[in-house]
Amino acid sequence: DAGITQSPRYKITETGRQVTLMCHQTWSHSYMFWYRQDLGHGLRLIYYSAAADITDKGEVPDGYVVSRSKTENFPLTLESATRSQTSVYFCASSDQRGDNEQFFGPGTRLTVL
Amino acid sequence: QKEVEQNSGPLSVPEGAIASLNCTYSDRGSQSFFWYRQYSGKSPELIMFIYSNGDKEDGRFTAQLNKASQYVSLLIRDSQPSDSATYLCAVNSYGGSQGNLIFGKGTKLSVKP
Repeated sequence: DAGITQSPRYKITETGRQVTLMCHQTWSHSYMFWYRQDLGHGLRLIYYSAAADITDKGEVPDGYVVSRSKTENFPLTLESATRSQTSVYFCASSDQRGDNEQFFGPGTRLTVL
Repeated sequence: QKEVEQNSGPLSVPEGAIASLNCTYSDRGSQSFFWYRQYSGKSPELIMFIYSNGDKEDGRFTAQLNKASQYVSLLIRDSQPSDSATYLCAVNSYGGSQGNLIFGKGTKLSVKP
C-alpha cells in the first residue's frame, strides 16, 4: 500500500544498546523528518532530510544518527540508547518543501530500560 | 527560539456546540499554518491548512488566520464525540538552510455526549 510506514511499531531495549528505527515512504516525497513526542514537550524535530544524501539537524539531534541513501528510506539510529530516549518516534514526509504539509507514519513506541 | 503556543486544555464542550481552538506564533515571517488532529495512541493527521488572512472553511471546520496578531484558530461546528482528540497547530519557520514546521504542544478537546 502507498504511504509511509515505520518499523518496528514497538521496541524495548536496554541502556547502551544500538537501536535502528526504520521509515519507508512510497510517495517519492523529497523531504523526510524524524520527530519524538513526549508529554509536556509536544513534537520535537530530531533530524530531517531534503533529498537523498542530504540531512540536517533539528531541535534535539544529540544521541541520534540518520542516513538517507535512497529517497524512500530514512532510518534513525540511536547509537547508545539512554532512558531519556524513551519516547514515541514519528517519521514524516513532505513533497517539494520542508515547510509544506507533512504526512506522518504510525509511530514507533520505544522504551529504554 | 521560535515558538507556537496553544492552551493545553482539556477543552470540554457538549455535543453539538462549537469548539474553538487557539494558537499564537512568534515568527512574523511565517506564511503557512496547519492544524493536525491526533487521536490517543495515533499519529497526527492533517485536517486544515491556511495561508491567507481571513477564514477558510472545510465542512464543519473553519480555520481563521490573523497575521497582524500572529494568531490562528480552528473552529469545529456541531462538535461530535468523535472529534475528541488533541489538536496540534503547526507553523512554518525558517532556520538554518531549510524551512520546517514548528508544532505547538496541542490542545486536548473532549466532546461530551
